[in-house]
Amino acid sequence: NAGVTQTPKFRVLKTGQSMTLLCAQDMNHEYMYWYRQDPGMGLRLIHYSVGEGTTAKGEVPDGYNVSRLKKQNFLLGLESAAPSQTSVYFCASSYMGQTEAFFGQGTRLTVV
Amino acid sequence: AQSVTQLGSHVSVSEGALVLLRCNYSSSVPPYLFWYVQYPNQGLQLLLKYTSAATLVKGINGFEAEFKKSETSFHLTKPSAHMSDAAEYFCAVRANYGGATNKLIFGTGTLLAVQP
Repeated sequence: NAGVTQTPKFRVLKTGQSMTLLCAQDMNHEYMYWYRQDPGMGLRLIHYSVGEGTTAKGEVPDGYNVSRLKKQNFLLGLESAAPSQTSVYFCASSYMGQTEAFFGQGTRLTVV
Repeated sequence: AQSVTQLGSHVSVSEGALVLLRCNYSSSVPPYLFWYVQYPNQGLQLLLKYTSAATLVKGINGFEAEFKKSETSFHLTKPSAHMSDAAEYFCAVRANYGGATNKLIFGTGTLLAVQP
């Protein structure tokens, strides 16, 4: 049972390039989330999904898009990367009920 | 809207000393509260959670936290620090109702250093 798996773990992009981060969970969770972590700012919610085919904006959605075509996968896309998007990205998932979220190991993204 | 404030971005204690990490929350509805720990270059791991049952919550690795509604606080404590406790700790709040707004809001984190 792998839990929440993020791919890739590290990536360096040039400004203007695009990429997709993949999050996969094998716990049959309804909810999935993408956070970014920056020094001194904690974790901030980018986008989230309450079920297959549905997504919603979080606290800092600009510059990102997401898709949830399958219940177990949640993709985060950067269409035109900017240096301000250099960060560590975490995916998480949870049951619909009032329980904690389970986190992946993170993706460290550097935009140069 | 919910929010969390963690007082002290860096806390240093001696091995064997009391650990106290402060968290205050703001919520217009009864909250669910969480403490997560992040070791270097790793994801977040749940330490403990408050879900409106007992106000004193015990977690893993000897940590506990007490929910105090009158003080809107959920401070994390451990009687005796160990070197392995050095990590970053995050307090988080979730609105206690269902639906699409069932999201975790995190504090800015407290980096705990343990001195030998």
